[in-house]
Amino acid sequence: EAGVTQFPSHSVIEKGQTVTLRCDPISGHDNLYWYRRVMGKEIKFLLHFVKESKQDESGMPNNRFLAERTGGTYSTLKVQPAELEDSGVYFCASSQGLAPPQNEQFFGPGTRLTVL
Amino acid sequence: KQEVTQIPAALSVPEGENLVLNCSFTDSAIYNLQWFRQDPGKGLTSLLLIQSSQREQTSGRLNASLDKSSGRSTLYIAASQPGDSATYLCAVFRTSYDKVIFGPGTSLSVIP
Repeated sequence: EAGVTQFPSHSVIEKGQTVTLRCDPISGHDNLYWYRRVMGKEIKFLLHFVKESKQDESGMPNNRFLAERTGGTYSTLKVQPAELEDSGVYFCASSQGLAPPQNEQFFGPGTRLTVL
Repeated sequence: KQEVTQIPAALSVPEGENLVLNCSFTDSAIYNLQWFRQDPGKGLTSLLLIQSSQREQTSGRLNASLDKSSGRSTLYIAASQPGDSATYLCAVFRTSYDKVIFGPGTSLSVIP
């Protein structure tokens, strides 16, 4: 069974440009999470989807970040316009359900974003 | 506010040694705790998930314990191997559906 996949693996853009990150969760997983790790800091939660609905977006840093999960399958995270401080690794995770043991989250390899 | 810390930040040991990684959290009202490893340039691999009602979990050479009352978890690695070299992250759930709160990680290097 395929794990969580993310595309691209690495993106280098200039300040002010737009970047869209994609996450494909494990098939059948209703819950999808976005996290990021900026240089020297801990991994931080961004938001949580249950199917196509945003369950919790308290970690989204500002309105330059827009996450969508149309159809409840894959998700995209758009940064527009990108700033230097957005550089970091963006992780996606998915889980089958909310009750144990289905709440175990499986992580993707991450997308390394570099904003110049 | 839940804070998660890990000690040590980095650890270097000779192959074959047993070792312990420590994780502390400030709010004992957690739902469960999860240990991950991250290899350079790779994603996070789940190692062990301990539900709040459990005291420990074991998988192969790994054993993780949880003491909610003291706000501590330890990851014990027996007979370490060079392939164990990675960053180990501790993370806690506040509720069954809540986001995971990560510690800063311990960077482990096992010397052949």
